[in-house]
Order: sequence, then structure tokens, then C-alpha cells
Amino acid sequence: DIQLTQSPSSLSASVGERVIISCRASQNISSNLNWYQQKPGRAPRILIYGVSTLQSGVPYRFSGSGSGTDFTLTIKSLQPEDFQTYYCQQGYSTPRTFGRGTKVEIK
Amino acid sequence: EEQVVESGGGLVQPGGSLRLSCAASGFTFNNYWMSWVRQAPGKGLEWVAHIKEDGNEKNYIDSVKGRFTISRDNTRNIVLLQMTGLSVDDTGVYFCARERVLRDFWSGDVRYSWFDPWGQGTLVTVSS
Repeated sequence: DIQLTQSPSSLSASVGERVIISCRASQNISSNLNWYQQKPGRAPRILIYGVSTLQSGVPYRFSGSGSGTDFTLTIKSLQPEDFQTYYCQQGYSTPRTFGRGTKVEIK
Repeated sequence: EEQVVESGGGLVQPGGSLRLSCAASGFTFNNYWMSWVRQAPGKGLEWVAHIKEDGNEKNYIDSVKGRFTISRDNTRNIVLLQMTGLSVDDTGVYFCARERVLRDFWSGDVRYSWFDPWGQGTLVTVSS
């Protein structure tokens, strides 16, 4: 199974700051890496698929990069609604796997 | 609007059974793989199982193999998760999600695969 190591597990930041979340795969997954945002008590929603393609309706302050085993999610300028939990997920092989999540909190 | 809606969760004793249902609408159901993903209280997301468009291929995580069965009815646009031999470790919110795929134009190979949309989830509590 492909393990996804997400870091940090949590971070504190202020509105307007740039935030970078990392996701490392245990083996090469090409570009089959996705990012989700989850609000408490809600279903996750897709932000980015295929490393860097923004889902329709997702603000441009979100971006993704990487390939192979190392990937990042960047939030260019944090907004109040961005203080949520973020997960990476690989669609390269079965079983599908998720990172353990990064909780973004208000500093 | 493309959406999926889960139902069937509830409280069940260890060793018991439960059947979850997911109703899809707003898209051509039999064109997509469908997945179940769960989330234990306060924990992260865990993919559980998925089923191919025609129902002829199914995959599971190891911890549910032999206990859970995924199926679908393409005439009713529903996907089911039959759960037996439930343990406290199966407690959590179970989400249904469509699996979207982007294929390479020339080879037809899958380039990307992601989950969208997700349902609101249904809570399964295994407790005595």
C-alpha cells in the first residue's frame, strides 16, 4: 500500500499569511495526487486534482505542485474561511490512501 | 446538480450487521466507479471500498475484506455497503463518493483519479 506522509499535522497562521503543506508518498505516484479541504462536521471537498488542477470554484489562492513522491499545497494568502483541515490523497493505486491531515488554525 | 446521499447508519452491537445505501443523482451513474470512505471520530479519512461501473470489479481495504460487501444497482442509481461482523473499530461516519477519472487521450490509461462529489455521510456506531 502507498503511504502518504503529510506535514505538518497542524499549524497556526494569521490571515494573509502564506501556508505550505507537504505530502510525501512512499513510492512514485506520478501526478496522481489530490487535495481536499474538510470543515468540522462536513464532508471533504476536492480542491485540487492531478497535483495542480484547481477544481471549478476553488479560489486561485490555492495551488499545488510536485511530482513523483513529493507534493505541496500552498495557500497564498490565508482567508478566515481557510482555517480547516486539509488532506492529500493518491489515486495511483488501490487501496486509495489519504494523508493524516493538516489542521490549519488561527494564530 | 450532481450529488450522492447516504442512508442506513445507526447504532449496532459488536458482531452485528448494517447496510448502507447511497443514492446518486444528476449524473450518468453507470459511467463511474463509486467508493465508500470512512472517518472515525476525530480521525482522518480512510478509503474502504470501491466498485467498477458495471459492478464486475470490487476492491477493499484489508481490514474489511470478508466482512464488507460493496454492490450497485445501475437501474436504481444506488450503491450499497453491506457490513457484517462489525467491531468498535468500524465506528465512524461513512461517506459515499463518486470516483472521477481523467484518462490519457492516446493510451486510455488513467492519469488522475479523485473523489467528487461526496455525500454528507451517515454515522455508524458500533457499541454494546
